Amino acid sequence: KAGVTQTPRYLIKTRGQQVTLSCSPISGHRSVSWYQQTPGQGLQFLFEYFSETQRNKGNFPGRFSGRQFSNSRSEMNVSTLELGDSALYLCASSLDQANTGELFFGEGSRLTVL
Amino acid sequence: SQQGEEDPQALSIQEGENATMNCSYKTSINNLQWYRQNSGRGLVHLILIRSNEREKHSGRLRVTLDTSKKSSSLLITASRAADTASYFCATVPAGNNRKLIWGLGTSLGVNP
Repeated sequence: KAGVTQTPRYLIKTRGQQVTLSCSPISGHRSVSWYQQTPGQGLQFLFEYFSETQRNKGNFPGRFSGRQFSNSRSEMNVSTLELGDSALYLCASSLDQANTGELFFGEGSRLTVL
Repeated sequence: SQQGEEDPQALSIQEGENATMNCSYKTSINNLQWYRQNSGRGLVHLILIRSNEREKHSGRLRVTLDTSKKSSSLLITASRAADTASYFCATVPAGNNRKLIWGLGTSLGVNP
């Protein structure tokens, strides 16, 4: 069974640009969560999608958005990039997090904003 | 906000020694999970302990949970260089089954 796939793995952008990150969950998993990880702040929850609906949202500005498609693949978008958006963005899937089971993480997309 | 707080922030030991990491949290929980992250990679689930459990084992891992003290510990026995990683605890608060809350992690270095 293939794991969680995130693309791209690495990318460099400049301030003011926008970026789209993609996540393909494990087959059969319907819940996809996104996290931002930085050395100073640790893992910060961005949002969670289940069956194409945003079910939970963290405390991030509206520049951060996401969506989920009918095949459970998810994308997140960050507009008007700032230097502080440089981070490792992690996607995690689960059958249904309401079951409080484990999360399966992708390898992450490392974004550098110059 | 971060609920879990791991202690210590960093730990350096020799191969073969045991490593103990602690996690404290603030509110009642449904379960607590431990994850490992190798440098710059994704997180890997290690073990889940439910609020009505006190101890759980998985290979060289032993996790304890003390709900009266709102704390958990992760013990890695007979450590190996490959155990070098960051270890995170995550809690699912009672009454909210959808949002894990993460600590800042313990960075473990195992010297060969």
